[in-house]
Amino acid sequence: AQSVTQPDIHITVSEGASLELRCNYSYGATPYLFWYVQSPGQGLQLLLKYFSGDTLVQGIKGFEAEFKRSQSSFNLRKPSVHWSDAAEYFCAVGARKGYSTLTFGKGTMLLVSP
Amino acid sequence: DSGVTQTPKHLITATGQRVTLRCSPRSGDLSVYWYQQSLDQGLQFLIQYYNGEERAKGNILERFSAQQFPDLHSELNLSSLELGDSALYFCASSGDSLGELFFGEGSRLTVL
Repeated sequence: AQSVTQPDIHITVSEGASLELRCNYSYGATPYLFWYVQSPGQGLQLLLKYFSGDTLVQGIKGFEAEFKRSQSSFNLRKPSVHWSDAAEYFCAVGARKGYSTLTFGKGTMLLVSP
Repeated sequence: DSGVTQTPKHLITATGQRVTLRCSPRSGDLSVYWYQQSLDQGLQFLIQYYNGEERAKGNILERFSAQQFPDLHSELNLSSLELGDSALYFCASSGDSLGELFFGEGSRLTVL
């Protein structure tokens, strides 16, 4: 069965500083990988996704993530965090088959300090 | 706006009661997913429908049921409610086979 681990429950970053959120997955082959963001009182919004090809993927809002097969990781990065980035971030994994379900990590809450 | 609509946004009810949550997927999306989000369990997959047929089942309790109608909207029925059923219930839809889900804003259920 597939699973996702986000080891950091909370992370605090100063505004303007760089950010890296960790995600490790367990899956028997190369999965589809996703990062979603959830602002308070909102649904989940897709930040970026990896299906195949270039292992460094670009997303919305200046985020990027790198797929590392050898480490079973898909870490999310942003070079300079803005106060509006404060939210909860979820990594998810899906099987490489049609209309598969996504398995989500427990999320990392990002706090941005002035 | 994801295009996925969920109603009601908030619902307060008592233990033992039954509620129905409704979801309208994005226009043209054939697949609907239900997830439960709680503080202790995180986002848990409940059930998936594709074009009216149940496609996958996750950690859905026997007291819960769902269906997808011919117009592709879906309903999640929760019965004999317990305090522990208090959670945010998300509906998501997907229109292609690559797994990207589009989420509604959720229905927050509070059981007193």
